[in-house]
Amino acid sequence: DAGVTQSPTHLIKTRGQQVTLRCSPKSGHDTVSWYQQALGQGPQFIFQYYEEEERQRGNFPDRFSGHQFPNYSSELNVNALLLGDSALYLCASSLGGQGDEQYFGPGTRLTVT
Amino acid sequence: AQSVTQPDIHITVSEGASLELRCNYSYGATPYLFWYVQSPGQGLQLLLKYFSGDTLVQGIKGFEAEFKRSQSSFNLRKPSVHWSDAAEYFCAVASLGGYQKVTFGTGTKLQVIP
Repeated sequence: DAGVTQSPTHLIKTRGQQVTLRCSPKSGHDTVSWYQQALGQGPQFIFQYYEEEERQRGNFPDRFSGHQFPNYSSELNVNALLLGDSALYLCASSLGGQGDEQYFGPGTRLTVT
Repeated sequence: AQSVTQPDIHITVSEGASLELRCNYSYGATPYLFWYVQSPGQGLQLLLKYFSGDTLVQGIKGFEAEFKRSQSSFNLRKPSVHWSDAAEYFCAVASLGGYQKVTFGTGTKLQVIP
């Protein structure tokens, strides 16, 4: 049973560019949440997707957007990259979001230069 | 708004010694509480969780945590630390029912010395 997978593992982008990160949830899970973890910090909630819709959002600008596909996989898009967007981006999957525990992927390390 | 405070940024313990990592939460209702561990360059692994019932929760790798509502605390403990326990530990809180937004603390980095 595959757990949560994320791609790519590492990514280097230039300020002003756009980036897309991908996540496949654990088998049987239908909810995907995205987190940003800056160096030395705890993960910060970006948003959550369920039934292909964003249903919760943290304090992140509109430059951060996402999508969930019918197979429950998800993408995180960040436009107009800033140096401060450099971080580990974690994807977590769960079932229905009703208080169930979240399973985390290994993350994508994004470096903006 | 829910929040989590981990007052210890860095803790050093000797291998074989006992460990307690502190966590205080702020939430208006009964929370879901979690402890996660993160090794360098890795994602988060769930150690244990508390939803309801017995306030002493057993987790993986010999860890346990105790929920104390009166103190708004959920401290993580281990009676004897192993060198492989060196990692960063995050306490987290989520809402009970409804959509699950998880709020993490800033983490405690554990160093284990021989």
